[in-house]
Amino acid sequence: ETGVTQTPRHLVMGMTNKKSLKCEQHLGHNAMYWYKQSAKKPLELMFVYNFKEQTENNSVPSRFSPECPNSSHLFLHLHTLQPEDSALYLCASSQEGADTQYFGPGTRLTVL
Amino acid sequence: TQLLEQSPQFLSIQEGENLTVYCNSSSVFSSLQWYRQEPGEGPVLLVTVVTGGEVKKLKRLTFQFGDARKDSSLHITAAQPGDTGLYLCAGAFNTGNQFYFGTGTSLTVIP
Repeated sequence: ETGVTQTPRHLVMGMTNKKSLKCEQHLGHNAMYWYKQSAKKPLELMFVYNFKEQTENNSVPSRFSPECPNSSHLFLHLHTLQPEDSALYLCASSQEGADTQYFGPGTRLTVL
Repeated sequence: TQLLEQSPQFLSIQEGENLTVYCNSSSVFSSLQWYRQEPGEGPVLLVTVVTGGEVKKLKRLTFQFGDARKDSSLHITAAQPGDTGLYLCAGAFNTGNQFYFGTGTSLTVIP
């Protein structure tokens, strides 16, 4: 138990569906991250939020839309995804300026 | 551009053997982390090293940060099947909130 939870753990969706991934951290951190992990590829940073403000967007397609309503919650809204978007989506949090981040268990997404 | 390269990419060894995994970069990091990830789960932090030349031990695992803070190694003594997993290194700079992940080493320890 790392103090970072993600729901759902598994998600299967069609290309026309709209769904959302949720992340919650109970560590009092003020920075949160979305990563994508595909088979045989390094972890890809998608978005970074610092004090609820988005500070990084690593050229992520607009079909992925993040939302950070407060420092403890982070969402990733998904719409009109492609099969190549199938991956493990990981949320992480850290304290701003700290040298360590903590990961949630991930959401395994399959796009049909 | 991949800032951190890990080697080997895959490693399969017998229980009881020793192994070393490397994490190399041409960049100087303010800190470096090692994680272990099991299938279908998120990475779990093992250790953070911050000082050049630093050595940290975690039971049978020994972590070393290079003197120049550009590279790191993870040595496992007498590997056990429970050590099986994906080992990831990640570096951070003292500006910003980004962590740069290595390519990963997939370790399988055969009973």
